[in-house]
Amino acid sequence: DAGVIQSPRHEVTEMGQEVTLRCKPISGHNSLFWYRQTMMRGLELLIYFNNNVPIDDSGMPEDRFSAKMPNASFSTLKIQPSEPRDSAVYFCASSDQHNYGYTFGSGTRLTVV
Amino acid sequence: QKEVEQNSGPLSVPEGAIASLNCTYSDRGSQSFFWYRQYSGKSPELIMSIYSNGDKEDGRFTAQLNKASQYVSLLIRDSQPSDSATYLCAVTSGGSYIPTFGRGTSLIVHP
Repeated sequence: DAGVIQSPRHEVTEMGQEVTLRCKPISGHNSLFWYRQTMMRGLELLIYFNNNVPIDDSGMPEDRFSAKMPNASFSTLKIQPSEPRDSAVYFCASSDQHNYGYTFGSGTRLTVV
Repeated sequence: QKEVEQNSGPLSVPEGAIASLNCTYSDRGSQSFFWYRQYSGKSPELIMSIYSNGDKEDGRFTAQLNKASQYVSLLIRDSQPSDSATYLCAVTSGGSYIPTFGRGTSLIVHP
């Protein structure tokens, strides 16, 4: 089991550019979560999917953020246009039993300059 | 608003001592409780889960839950320098399976 796979590990981009983060959940997991972590705000849930369907995107900070899950093995989080305040570590996590906790990916460290 | 509170630390303990990490939560309907360990620059890793009052032991780790007092704690016995990390408490409430995370407590175990 390769775990939750995220790419890229690091992304440095200029303000105004589009950024796409990718995630492959653990095979068989039916829930997928996107989190953002900063020193100031800790771990924040952005959006989660259940069986590829977005359930709650109330944590998405604004319309510049969008997420898709076209199939059970792939999800993307897109920021367009990016801003310096979007700089953070973005984690993807998946779960097959909600009460049994998550498995997190290794994260994408995003820096917007 | 559901809140999960942790002392940010750092909590510094000598090698071999017991480290005690505490977490309080605001929602009395909370049902599932988790402890994650996060090394610097790494992702959170689930280390313990507890669902009923009392103690749950797993190796050197013991989770303690007291729903009446609305706190959950994590004890680490025989602390090792490799236990130095940030420990995140996460709580789910009856109406949702999505956990609310605390900000984490930084633990430093010094030789």
